[in-house]
Amino acid sequence: NAGVTQTPKFQVLKTGQSMTLQCAQDMNHNSMYWYRQDPGMGLRLIYYSASEGTTDKGEVPNGYNVSRLNKREFSLRLESAAPSQTSVYFCASMLDYEQYFGPGTRLTVT
Amino acid sequence: RKEVEQDPGPFNVPEGATVAFNCTYSNSASQSFFWYRQDCRKEPKLLMSVYSSGNEDGRFTAQLNRASQYISLLIRDSKLSDSATYLCVVKGRGYQKVTFGIGTKLQVIP
Repeated sequence: NAGVTQTPKFQVLKTGQSMTLQCAQDMNHNSMYWYRQDPGMGLRLIYYSASEGTTDKGEVPNGYNVSRLNKREFSLRLESAAPSQTSVYFCASMLDYEQYFGPGTRLTVT
Repeated sequence: RKEVEQDPGPFNVPEGATVAFNCTYSNSASQSFFWYRQDCRKEPKLLMSVYSSGNEDGRFTAQLNRASQYISLLIRDSKLSDSATYLCVVKGRGYQKVTFGIGTKLQVIP
């Protein structure tokens, strides 16, 4: 099992560009999450999906959209990137109370 | 007041030392508590769950004090490989109610 995979690992965008971060899990988990991690801020929830077909906003959803394509895949889209979105983005899935994280995407917006 | 507060450290300790971290949480309705470990530039991984009765796993002991709303992590006989950031995680009701502390950085010195 690969667990949770994320692509790309690194990305540099110019302000105003758009991109989609991909996430997939092969553990058959129902719930999936997108977080961003910034120095001194901890992990903050952007969006989550409790099950296939549902998505909900987390703590910091502005500037982002998500799609739960199927049970395996949960993507995060930045429509018009801003320097404030420079961060490390983690996708996670959850079984019972344990969250399993992907390796992260390091995004820089210039 | 932050929902979950941790001393960011760093805690610099010699090999073989015992070190303890505390974490406080503000929501008395919180249901589940965890410690995650995050290595530099890696994803967080579950270290252990925390129960009121205490939870021990080898050199690691976690404790929950609901009355005072804090959880603790004790590491005995520190190893160089214990160097990492330790994240306190508190879960409430609902899929989105997972709150991460900013993490405490531990550096074990030879």
